[in-house]
Amino acid sequence: DAGVTQSPTHLIKTRGQQVTLRCSPKSGHDTVSWYQQALGQGPQFIFQYYEEEERQRGNFPDRFSGHQFPNYSSELNVNALLLGDSALYLCASINSGGHGETQYFGPGTRLLVL
Amino acid sequence: GDSVTQMEGPVTLSEEAFLTINCTYTATGYPSLFWYVQYPGEGLQLLLKATKADDKGSNKGFEATYRKETTSFHLEKGSVQVSDSAVYFCALSSGAMNRDDKIIFGKGTRLHILP
Repeated sequence: DAGVTQSPTHLIKTRGQQVTLRCSPKSGHDTVSWYQQALGQGPQFIFQYYEEEERQRGNFPDRFSGHQFPNYSSELNVNALLLGDSALYLCASINSGGHGETQYFGPGTRLLVL
Repeated sequence: GDSVTQMEGPVTLSEEAFLTINCTYTATGYPSLFWYVQYPGEGLQLLLKATKADDKGSNKGFEATYRKETTSFHLEKGSVQVSDSAVYFCALSSGAMNRDDKIIFGKGTRLHILP
């Protein structure tokens, strides 16, 4: 079992560009959440996808959007990048039908905006 | 809204010392509580969890007890090792047990263990 995988591992962009990050959930998981972890801070919830729809959203602007595919994998898109978007982006997955389970986190994608 | 407050670091201890990292929370209802660990260059790993009052979570010698009366979930270990050096995050989730809601994290506490 590969666990949660994310790609790419590192990314460098310039202000104003757009970026797409990818996540494959752990086998058997159908729900994917995205988090932003700024340097020296705890992760902040961006949004969660279930059944290909956004189910919950944190306090992030509309520049942050996502998608979930029929195979449960997910993408995070960020438009009009700002310097402040530089962070580690974490994906987490869970089986929504499981009992007492917890979310599994991927290794993250480190984004640097110049 | 729900929030988590944990002691600021860095915390520096000698090997075999006793560790306590304080964590308090604010939440409506009955959240699940977690400690996550992040080793250098890696993602988050669940260290332990507790889902109801007076539950004790434990793993790898670490323990934390869900104290509803003091809204606390302090992390303890009796004898730390150099390999325990990492950043520790206290967190909560207010969702149902079988459908985890968003997780709210504290800011993290960096732990350095000296040999």
